[in-house]
Amino acid sequence: GQQLNQSPQSMFIQEGEDVSMNCTSSSIFNTWLWYKQDPGEGPVLLIALYKAGELTSNGRLTAQFGITRKDSFLNISASIPSDVGIYFCAGQLTGGTSYGKLTFGQGTILTVHP
Amino acid sequence: GAVVSQHPSRVICKSGTSVKIECRSLDFQATTMFWYRQFPKQSLMLMATSNEGSKATYEQGVEKDKFLINHASLTLSTLTVTSAHPEDSSFYICSAPPASAAYNEQFFGPGTRLTVL
Repeated sequence: GQQLNQSPQSMFIQEGEDVSMNCTSSSIFNTWLWYKQDPGEGPVLLIALYKAGELTSNGRLTAQFGITRKDSFLNISASIPSDVGIYFCAGQLTGGTSYGKLTFGQGTILTVHP
Repeated sequence: GAVVSQHPSRVICKSGTSVKIECRSLDFQATTMFWYRQFPKQSLMLMATSNEGSKATYEQGVEKDKFLINHASLTLSTLTVTSAHPEDSSFYICSAPPASAAYNEQFFGPGTRLTVL
């Protein structure tokens, strides 16, 4: 199935640094979502974006829905050790036979050194 | 947020046996649930959409006779892996959007680790 192009694949940073990751797609989406997954767990929703151009924050997290509806980025400011995990972007269509289905990026593995 | 549970959390079975995985929405009703499969160090891939009271719809390449889905109530969907083989070993995750909310609010279960010997 279709996948989103998510980058970088992995990041090794020092505690306190800012992090940025992004996703691009050849298709447009109506909704962009960012999830965090810890080992052996299901993904947990971090931020949902519903409008092109929308910029949304959730604590130290900020995400934007690209104007073209084909991309999104996630920033994490002042990283802390518990930010470690795998971050996934997901695009969603809300019409037709694809209603509600999520297409996931490949994931960004984040490692934070104390 | 809403809570989705899965049972069992992990299962080990012999090749050729069938395994049933349950996905429950604990505090909301879900007319639709989604089943994903995730191999080690890979992303989540949608397998099928489970629809309450009707047949599931499967993604291209997913064998419907091998992965049986039953959405018997507004809070329960089951995935049965029939005649499991080692290549079916994977992390199976379900998600559910509350029936009362937009489909863009999806809550994931904790996943089920299947190991086929």
